[in-house]
Amino acid sequence: DTGVSQDPRHKITKRGQNVTFRCDPISEHNRLYWYRQTLGQGPEFLTYFQNEAQLEKSRLLSDRFSAERPKGSFSTLEIQRTEQGDSAMYLCASSPKQGSGLGADTQYFGPGTRLTVL
Amino acid sequence: GNSVTQMEGPVTLSEEAFLTINCTYTATGYPSLFWYVQYPGEGLQLLLKATKADDKGSNKGFEATYRKETTSFHLEKGSVQVSDSAVYFCALILYNQGGKLIFGQGTELSVKP
Repeated sequence: DTGVSQDPRHKITKRGQNVTFRCDPISEHNRLYWYRQTLGQGPEFLTYFQNEAQLEKSRLLSDRFSAERPKGSFSTLEIQRTEQGDSAMYLCASSPKQGSGLGADTQYFGPGTRLTVL
Repeated sequence: GNSVTQMEGPVTLSEEAFLTINCTYTATGYPSLFWYVQYPGEGLQLLLKATKADDKGSNKGFEATYRKETTSFHLEKGSVQVSDSAVYFCALILYNQGGKLIFGQGTELSVKP
């Protein structure tokens, strides 16, 4: 069990550019979550997947944001035409399948990708 | 709506002092409750959890009891150490709403030797 990994750890971009982040969940975890955390605040939910299906998106996720989990394993979060307000830490978490006896209510977080939009 | 409110920080304590970080919640159903901790430069880690009323979660000397009557889940530790310095987040999950975590704003704890 290598934990949840995210890449890159840091990203600096100019306003208007597109960026893409990757998350690799713990293997055998079927649920994957994306959150955004700004300085001094708790993480806020963005979206989540059960296997490859995206089941919920927050109103925080504008049309410039898109997330995929094509094979039910890793996920990508893309932000198009970045704005300075997108600067934040983007967190990924995964959890086991409900009923698996592995603590399905526990989400395991990756280290995050810190995005800075200049 | 569903929300979590924590006491504001930063909280500064001397080593071996008693710690309480207050957390209250508002939820439309029956949530599970969590405390996560974020050490400097590290990711969020689960500290403890409780899944139903009157359950007590505990780990590393920290405790929290799920109080349905007061909608609270206060974090306590009898004797803090410098290594406990971190940001602590209270959170809830509602499984009938997709299982997403709803976090409080976090409370920064600084423990001085």
